[in-house]
Amino acid sequence: AQSVAQPEDQVNVAEGNPLTVKCTYSVSGNPYLFWYVQYPNRGLQFLLKYITGDNLVKGSYGFEAEFNKSQTSFHLKKPSALVSDSALYFCAVRGDTGGFKTIFGAGTRLFVKA
Amino acid sequence: DTAVSQTPKYLVTQMGNDKSIKCEQNLGHDTMYWYKQDSKKFLKIMFSYNNKELIINETVPNRFSPKSPDKAHLNLHINSLELGDSAVYFCASSQDLAALEQYFGPGTRLTVT
Repeated sequence: AQSVAQPEDQVNVAEGNPLTVKCTYSVSGNPYLFWYVQYPNRGLQFLLKYITGDNLVKGSYGFEAEFNKSQTSFHLKKPSALVSDSALYFCAVRGDTGGFKTIFGAGTRLFVKA
Repeated sequence: DTAVSQTPKYLVTQMGNDKSIKCEQNLGHDTMYWYKQDSKKFLKIMFSYNNKELIINETVPNRFSPKSPDKAHLNLHINSLELGDSAVYFCASSQDLAALEQYFGPGTRLTVT
């Protein structure tokens, strides 16, 4: 069965500091991994995805994510946080062996203080 | 132009009523989805349609009935509403079943009193 774990309910970081939002996954076959962001009263917006290839994936708004197969992790990172990055972040996974269901994590709220 | 739109944005109704939420996408996508986001922000898929055909039907009470009149529309009808149905419902679309990136609508906040 597919699953995604986001171990932190909330991450607090000061503006200008680097940020990391953690994600681990379990899936049959090879994983397709995603990060989405949700701003208040909005739908989810796609940030980036990993399919294959380079373990470091770059996405929108300066975000990047690092795929680590041995640790089954896909952590979201940004070198310098902005107050406007404050939002709810969802990690998601889909396996490549049959089925078209994407499983979302429970979300991590990122709070960037000025 | 809004890519994925939902109506209404807010819906307040009493237990036992029947209500519908409409979703339209103008992206030319073949696949559409309904998700439920509960009060703890947990997002769970309910249904997926591809070219008007039901593909994913999670363990959702049969009071929930999706209908896709064409591939640009996926509506959600809910009968005999219960308190536990209160949530935010998101519609999403993707280019096709294999496409990995989904585009989400703004959500419909349903409150059952």
